[in-house]
Amino acid sequence: SAVISQKPSRDICQRGTSLTIQCQVDSQVTMMFWYRQQPGQSLTLIATANQGSEATYESGFVIDKFPISRPNLTFSTLTVSNMSPEDSSIYLCSVGGGRGSYEQYFGPGTRLTVT
Amino acid sequence: AQKVTQAQTEISVVEKEDVTLDCVYETRDTTYYLFWYKQPPSGELVFLIRRNSFDEQNEISGRYSWNFQKSTSSFNFTITASQVVDSAVYFCALSGNYGQNFVFGPGTRLSVLP
Repeated sequence: SAVISQKPSRDICQRGTSLTIQCQVDSQVTMMFWYRQQPGQSLTLIATANQGSEATYESGFVIDKFPISRPNLTFSTLTVSNMSPEDSSIYLCSVGGGRGSYEQYFGPGTRLTVT
Repeated sequence: AQKVTQAQTEISVVEKEDVTLDCVYETRDTTYYLFWYKQPPSGELVFLIRRNSFDEQNEISGRYSWNFQKSTSSFNFTITASQVVDSAVYFCALSGNYGQNFVFGPGTRLSVLP
């Protein structure tokens, strides 16, 4: 499975500011995914990021709030814009398991606290 | 729409007991995939198993075993002789063919007491 790293691992941000989270994979992957995990909750898919195309957002998530970049096959960023305390969550990126393997492998997550 | 239900919010057992975590799913897809993940207190998500909808064979891996029954739309996970290190939140997940529409269940928090 791919090795996935995320930066930062955690951050405390002020209301109204933005934070960009980076996700780096040690091998080329077609699809990358961004999830949010609110405190004590399950994971919710924010968007799917394919290299060379616009990200596909799930219902309830919009590009203005969570812009995503996917400049190459090993890297993606998620920005959380104009943050409010409700955005306090763990944000995780994941990648598919490869051809014929549909499980996803996750990065360590970014723990965001908005004050 | 796809849906995963894990009715057990929290389970507490004493070390060496066996424990079964329930997972019930809903999908209209004829081909789909089921997964289990472990999230220990450190927070990382660990992939445990994938099962294809066309393979109902049960699987055993060490102390872990999985029971997939299409007739009841269930994919249950049993830990035999539980250990303290098994304490974690366990998520069941479902995807359609080619891995799309990946959805997680709400999770079951397992506490194994010494």
